[in-house]
Amino acid sequence: GESVGLHLPTLSVQEGDNSIINCAYSNSASDYFIWYKQESGKGPQFIIDIRSNMDKRQGQRVTVLLNKTVKHLSLQIAATQPGDSAVYFCAENSPGAAGNKLTFGGGTRVLVKP
Amino acid sequence: EPEVTQTPSHQVTQMGQEVILRCVPISNHLYFYWYRQILGQKVEFLVSFYNNEISEKSEIFDDQFSVERPDGSNFTLKIRSTKLEDSAMYFCASGTSGYQETQYFGPGTRLLVL
Repeated sequence: GESVGLHLPTLSVQEGDNSIINCAYSNSASDYFIWYKQESGKGPQFIIDIRSNMDKRQGQRVTVLLNKTVKHLSLQIAATQPGDSAVYFCAENSPGAAGNKLTFGGGTRVLVKP
Repeated sequence: EPEVTQTPSHQVTQMGQEVILRCVPISNHLYFYWYRQILGQKVEFLVSFYNNEISEKSEIFDDQFSVERPDGSNFTLKIRSTKLEDSAMYFCASGTSGYQETQYFGPGTRLLVL
């Protein structure tokens, strides 16, 4: 989910279970969305993206779902592994956003328990 | 796999000093960005750059900030007179074609202003 300031929501998940991370985006005109993974001390790493003409997109072990009606995005990680432990951010891009800037959500920390 | 690289990884400076953060975007990319992340907070857009000029800048990107692509490979962010509140992680990103295309992030430069 979303967060403000220093308090990241945390999702604890058992290794091998599925994870679902949620994001509420702000701009109803946004039509391109990206999920990034950020490990401690590193830059955001691209996971998967989706355009607004789709409501679901699958990658390797990851699925992104888009619900434009309620401005909600989710990332599903199948068979979560210890290497999936990180902070996950959604980012949105709006048409007419000159310069293609991305607006990031607050992030969710995922902790994978062995 | 091509990556965005950034130097230095860490920079400590005194308030009022000038700093230059350097980035080498992915070689065939045409769109370049700087973002920053204050500790524990969201990633925030600073500026986008295309065709040797700024496409968009945020309200954070005031007159103390400037960007430059001095040659065919480097992309720099200069802060003329650093303030304590400039302490953050600064990320460079690049993309191929701008809108609705993925932006790939570098590992970041951690700037600490004392």
